[in-house]
Amino acid sequence: DTAVSQTPKYLVTQMGNDKSIKCEQNLGHDTMYWYKQDSKKFLKIMFSYNNKELIINETVPNRFSPKSPDKAHLNLHINSLELGDSAVYFCASSQTVGSPLHFGNGTRLTVT
Amino acid sequence: DAKTTQPNSMESNEEEPVHLPCNHSTISGTDYIHWYRQLPSQGPEYVIHGLTSNVNNRMASLAIAEDRKSSTLILHRATLRDAAVYYCILRGPFYNTDKLIFGTGTRLQVFP
Repeated sequence: DTAVSQTPKYLVTQMGNDKSIKCEQNLGHDTMYWYKQDSKKFLKIMFSYNNKELIINETVPNRFSPKSPDKAHLNLHINSLELGDSAVYFCASSQTVGSPLHFGNGTRLTVT
Repeated sequence: DAKTTQPNSMESNEEEPVHLPCNHSTISGTDYIHWYRQLPSQGPEYVIHGLTSNVNNRMASLAIAEDRKSSTLILHRATLRDAAVYYCILRGPFYNTDKLIFGTGTRLQVFP
């Protein structure tokens, strides 16, 4: 059983479009995250949610809007996509603060 | 955010022990030392973490210096599957600082 699953795995779209990436965890964890890995392989946190409440927003453009309908889901909606948004986006979850993170396998977003 | 310094790359032969060093001279008293690894085309995977004492689990051991300014991840017998990028990360204990700050990591190559 996949613990943290993201869909889609690959996403190719044109500049200016709006797209969403979905994330679900079946671990019963309270905290979920979005990370971005750029072309130079740097991994950077974007958001964290705890019990559906936004905890960390790491100066991400407001074109990016996370939505947590319940504890098990944290979706990422991106408006007006730009070339620089091309990256691999990873969702993760942890039981609580300080607990190990479990990452999904990523969504590779390509903006043309 | 406290920073860590790791060698860019290391090499090992299969079934030999591997010692991956990490310097974190600006670590605060409440920071935990976490290690994650990222295999090609996968999300990061938790390896081990500790605060002051050395730690062992089924994957690895973590040796923490007495002054906590450095640590070493020990893989007791490297396998080909251990080839990955290893990240040493300092993690605060509070919700609003609960973000893994990934550096460039150490790329470990394992030769048969």
